[in-house]
Amino acid sequence: EIVLTQSPGTLSLSPGERATLSCRASQSVSSTYLAWYQQKPGQAPRLLVYGASSRATGIPDRFSGSGSGTDFTLTISRLEPEDFAVYYCQHYSPSRPSFTFGGGTKVEIK
Amino acid sequence: QVQLVQSGFELKKPGASVKISCKASGYTFTDYAVSWVRQAPGQGLEWMGRISTNTGNPAYAQGFTGRFVFSLDTSVSTAYLQISSVKTEDTAMYYCARKLVSGSLYYWGQGTLLTVSS
Repeated sequence: EIVLTQSPGTLSLSPGERATLSCRASQSVSSTYLAWYQQKPGQAPRLLVYGASSRATGIPDRFSGSGSGTDFTLTISRLEPEDFAVYYCQHYSPSRPSFTFGGGTKVEIK
Repeated sequence: QVQLVQSGFELKKPGASVKISCKASGYTFTDYAVSWVRQAPGQGLEWMGRISTNTGNPAYAQGFTGRFVFSLDTSVSTAYLQISSVKTEDTAMYYCARKLVSGSLYYWGQGTLLTVSS
């Protein structure tokens, strides 16, 4: 079973700064099935990126995903006040099928 | 527009059963599987499994077998999550969700909070 490890656990940044979030898989995975979500308190998760690098509908272009194999990154180029939230990476295994989530990275205001 | 609307807050005593609903609208219900995701207080997201709305076949993730049952009523485009013999550790927000493209969950219900307390 694939394990996704996100780092750091918490990222303390100021608005306007760049955020770089990491997601590492325990074994190589297909980029096709790697996604990122944003979750704010009291809300359901929102899909940001699918296929490792494709932005979901309506997601601002300051959000970008990259990576392959075991290492994936979500970058927020310039943090807006509404971007302070928890971010999760997720992998889908089509052979089972099943979803696995990482433990999350909290982006907080410094 | 696609919507997943879940049933409301549940307060249960240990040992009771609960059934959470997820009513879909805005698309053909039987075209997409429904996943269930649990989030314990202050914790991350856990995929519980999914049910094929076409065949009715459920698939449960590790840790969600036995007391957890997924079911459907396709006549009202609704998926259900039933938990029997609830425990305090079942206290969590439960979400239903479905994909837009393969490999990710785009549409989410608003969540149903289950609190288990004596």
